[in-house]
Order: sequence, then C-alpha cells, then structure tokens
Amino acid sequence: DGGITQSPKYLFRKEGQNVTLSCEQNLNHDAMYWYRQDPGQGLRLIYYSQIVNDFQKGDIAEGYSVSREKKESFPLTVTSAQKNPTAFYLCASGPPQETQYFGPGTRLLVL
Amino acid sequence: QKEVEQNSGPLSVPEGAIASLNCTYSDRGSQSFFWYRQYSGKSPELIMFIYSNGDKEDGRFTAQLNKASQYVSLLIRDSQPSDSATYLCAVNGSGKLIFGQGTELSVKP
Repeated sequence: DGGITQSPKYLFRKEGQNVTLSCEQNLNHDAMYWYRQDPGQGLRLIYYSQIVNDFQKGDIAEGYSVSREKKESFPLTVTSAQKNPTAFYLCASGPPQETQYFGPGTRLLVL
Repeated sequence: QKEVEQNSGPLSVPEGAIASLNCTYSDRGSQSFFWYRQYSGKSPELIMFIYSNGDKEDGRFTAQLNKASQYVSLLIRDSQPSDSATYLCAVNGSGKLIFGQGTELSVKP
C-alpha cells in the first residue's frame, strides 16, 4: 500500500521540549518537504530535501531541524527555540519541482 | 509582490453553477502549474496539473493556462456542495513548488 504516512496524528509539546514529527514515504520519491499551516492560512515551507543527505531551508526554518538519512524518511524536529509551534504540519513528497503528494498531517499543540 | 496570488474569498456559488478560481504568478520561467483541494482539517489533495498553454479538462474540472499573462485558472462545472473547500494554486520555481494562499469556495444548495 503506497503512500505517505505521518505520525503521530496529534502531538503535545511541553514548554522547552523538543519534539520530532515522523514522515515516511514508499513512493520512491526523491524530494520531500515540510510545511506549516496556521488556521485560515496557506502553506509555509519549513525545509525541503531533493536528495538523501542534503536539505535546504525554506521560508520559516528558524526553530526547526531536519535530517534525510534515508530516501524514505524525512523527520522534522520542532525545537524549544520555536516559540509558537502550535500548527498543522504537513509532509509532502514528489519528483523535484513537480507534483507533490501530501501526508495526512500532524497537529502540534502546546501544553 | 507575492510570487503566487489568489483571491482569498470566500467565493460563494449556487449548486449547479460554474465556479471560477484564479491565480497569477510572477516567475515567467515557471513551467508546471498545479491545483490542490483542501477540505477543512485535512491535507491538500491534487486535482489537476497543467504544463501547456490552453485548457485541460478532467471531468467537471478544467484548468486554463495563459503563460503570456502569467495566469492560471480552475473552472468547476456543475458545482456541488461537496466541492466546498479551499483551493490552492501551486507553481514550480526555485527548486520547489510555490503555493498561493488559497481560495475558499462555498457551494450553496
């Protein structure tokens, strides 16, 4: 069953805590992306990776970190430096600069 | 100037009417154009992509591209209440897709 999976569906973060959001794809896509969406807003690009072991900052990378050790996986860490992390986080994959397919998303809430 | 611009709406149309969603972009070098639909609380799903000038039809959906005017649109014929969602336009550029803010469509029964 091919697709993009994100986990967890909901994630709660305590003050000063780092949390990691998982994104896995078995579509053999080279490129993977992380977006943040706030209520009533569009998508904002956090980080993207077009090839294993390489990634680039998007428009709002501050307070976030990523790794791309495997083609299938692109985890996102929300660090304690991100002061307003509450949002809907979307992972996507696809051929570079072409169609992107989105995972179901993770909602991050701050306790 | 934003790289990809859409009217935020909401755009309200009666059931059975044609809904017209518009998008302009700033990078003349863009080659690929995409329309996504996003239901409230869900992730975006691809509706259509278009690469060449002109129209591309898929069922009730028609994408229109005019590269000279840097304009891409999505027409939804025979609009249904189930089409009520936010529609995102995306354009390729700078090694990634650039998304517009989205247009909220409401189809009234």
